[in-house]
Amino acid sequence: AQKVTQAQTEISVVEKEDVTLDCVYETRDTTYYLFWYKQPPSGELVFLIRRNSFDEQNEISGRYSWNFQKSTSSFNFTITASQVVDSAVYFCALSEYRTGGYQKVTFGTGTKLQVIP
Amino acid sequence: ETGVTQSPTHLIKTRGQQVTLRCSSQSGHNTVSWYQQALGQGPQFIFQYYREEENGRGNFPPRFSGLQFPNYSSELNVNALELDDSALYLCASSLRTGGSSSYEQYFGPGTRLTVT
Repeated sequence: AQKVTQAQTEISVVEKEDVTLDCVYETRDTTYYLFWYKQPPSGELVFLIRRNSFDEQNEISGRYSWNFQKSTSSFNFTITASQVVDSAVYFCALSEYRTGGYQKVTFGTGTKLQVIP
Repeated sequence: ETGVTQSPTHLIKTRGQQVTLRCSSQSGHNTVSWYQQALGQGPQFIFQYYREEENGRGNFPPRFSGLQFPNYSSELNVNALELDDSALYLCASSLRTGGSSSYEQYFGPGTRLTVT
């Protein structure tokens, strides 16, 4: 069975600090996808990134970066020079890969990030 | 904005009643998934519809049912409402092509259901 663990329930940082959100996953599949979503107070989930299990290359997008380590089943998310607008709940998610089948996405419980001005 | 819309925004129902939530998918998308997000929790997968048929289901009882229409919009119906059904209900649309299931899901703003 799939499982996603986000051990950090809430994190508070001062603006301009760097912050890393941890994500550990469990799956028996060899092919799978990992996601990060941002959920601001308005409630809508905003897609940030998708990685497949064969691509362990780290990715950087502006102030955001992701570190995927298959050996430790982790997919961590770092925000550099945090800003108040980064305040939100962040979810890590895992998707099973099924040819011709459906996509079931399992979400973690989320990490609430508060950036203090 | 993702182009996925949901209605209504908020809803208050009494235990035992029935409710219908609606979702319009992003233009060109043919798949809709529904999720339940309880307060302080991550979204939980309810089911997915592809080409008007239920294509997969999470651990939800049969009183949670759905429909997908030819224009790919979708409804979530919940019968015999219970207090624990109070949650944010999110729909997500995606474009499924061929055998690949690695599609990105685009979420709507959700419907907040309160059962009293």
